[in-house]
Amino acid sequence: SQQGEEDPQALSIQEGENATMNCSYKTSINNLQWYRQNSGRGLVHLILIRSNEREKHSGRLRVTLDTSKKSSSLLITASRAADTASYFCATGNTDKLIFGTGTRLQVFP
Amino acid sequence: DAGITQSPRHKVTETGTPVTLRCHQTENHRYMYWYRQDPGHGLRLIHYSYGVKDTDKGEVSDGYSVSRSKTEDFLLTLESATSSQTSVYFCAISDSDSNQPQHFGDGTRLSIL
Repeated sequence: SQQGEEDPQALSIQEGENATMNCSYKTSINNLQWYRQNSGRGLVHLILIRSNEREKHSGRLRVTLDTSKKSSSLLITASRAADTASYFCATGNTDKLIFGTGTRLQVFP
Repeated sequence: DAGITQSPRHKVTETGTPVTLRCHQTENHRYMYWYRQDPGHGLRLIHYSYGVKDTDKGEVSDGYSVSRSKTEDFLLTLESATSSQTSVYFCAISDSDSNQPQHFGDGTRLSIL
């Protein structure tokens, strides 16, 4: 069963625009992580936010976490064509991560 | 990039044959994971290991077995492959449990005819 669900499933934007992806989950978590996957490759870890944190930044990435709403968002600012990829949220509790189904982001030059 | 190698990268086989996928790491990480990725399902955990000879089931473990006799190697075996096991399989490693990032290999594309 999926814990996280990303929204939207697909997103197309122009270079320079911001991209926002949302993740909702169902049960309590210790942390929430975001990953990127380029076509034909494995997932790459982007950022981890713990359940007692509300916001975290890494370069052009901004992640928020609202545990009362069981939701998180990933904002990519000033997007580039190289940001084209699928993005997954994953919730952590005990030994395992549970991944969502992902958002496909297309950034047009 | 974390030192993770999956082999083979591609395999085509027939229904009913045994298949073994290998994951090799050079990071000395304690945890290793096997996932499958299918359209519409995201990544689903098959089995994972939290140490040598210590393994546990994931969400979709039926039809799969694993072994870890050395820290660096984690094997996934399909005892008798079925067409429903056609998928892309990913290995991941982490230094600790789910409170740490996981690092992924580039996957094995397995087709069962």
